Amino acid sequence: DSGVTQTPKHLITATGQRVTLRCSPRSGDLSVYWYQQSLDQGLQFLIQYYNGEERAKGNILERFSAQQFPDLHSELNLSSLELGDSALYFCASSVTYNEQFFGPGTRLTVL
Amino acid sequence: DAKTTQPNSMESNEEEPVHLPCNHSTISGTDYIHWYRQLPSQGPEYVIHGLTSNVNNRMASLAIAEDRKSSTLILHRATLRDAAVYYCILSRMDSNYQLIWGAGTKLIIKP
Repeated sequence: DSGVTQTPKHLITATGQRVTLRCSPRSGDLSVYWYQQSLDQGLQFLIQYYNGEERAKGNILERFSAQQFPDLHSELNLSSLELGDSALYFCASSVTYNEQFFGPGTRLTVL
Repeated sequence: DAKTTQPNSMESNEEEPVHLPCNHSTISGTDYIHWYRQLPSQGPEYVIHGLTSNVNNRMASLAIAEDRKSSTLILHRATLRDAAVYYCILSRMDSNYQLIWGAGTKLIIKP
C-alpha cells in the first residue's frame, strides 16, 4: 500500500460526458502528479501540482483539467469524453522529485 | 526529451540474479536515471534512482556506466513476485524532473 488513494476504482460513462477523478496523496506529500496509461502502453505524464499550484504540464488535452485543493487532495476533470479517453488514470505523490508513490489507479471506460 | 531503450522482454529463472539493461545515449549531465516497476493490475512502484554512482537499496542495485550512456538494474535473487514491467526513465532538471516513460521491459520469472 503506497498510501495514495484514488476514487473511484472503476468508472463507466458515455461519450460526451464529464467525469471527475479524485486523488488523496500520502500524508505530508506536497506534489501530486497525474498520468494516463492506455491499454498495454507506458504512462503519459499529464500534469503536476505542488502545494496547490500547477508546477509542470505534459501531454494534457484541453478537455482535461486538474486542481489541487488546500488539503492537498487533487481532482482530474475529463470532459467531452471520447472513446480514446478510455484508460487507466494514475495519481502519484512525492516529497522529492526522485521517488513518486503511485495510487492504484482509476479505470475509465468510455462507451 | 532524452529517450531510453530497453528490451521488450526478458526471462529469468527464480532465485537467480537478473540484469535488466537500459541504453540512454542522449543523456545529459544533470539527468537522473530512475527505475520503476509495474506489477500486473497495479500502479507503478519506485525501485531505485541514481545520477553518476552505482546505487544499492533493499530492492535492487543500479549500475551506471562510466560514460552514463547505459545502466543496468540488478535484482540479486529474483522471485516470482518480481515478475513485472520494468521502466528505465530519465528525468531532466529543465523539465521539472518529469518522468518520461517508455515501453519498459516485461520480466518473466520461470519457477
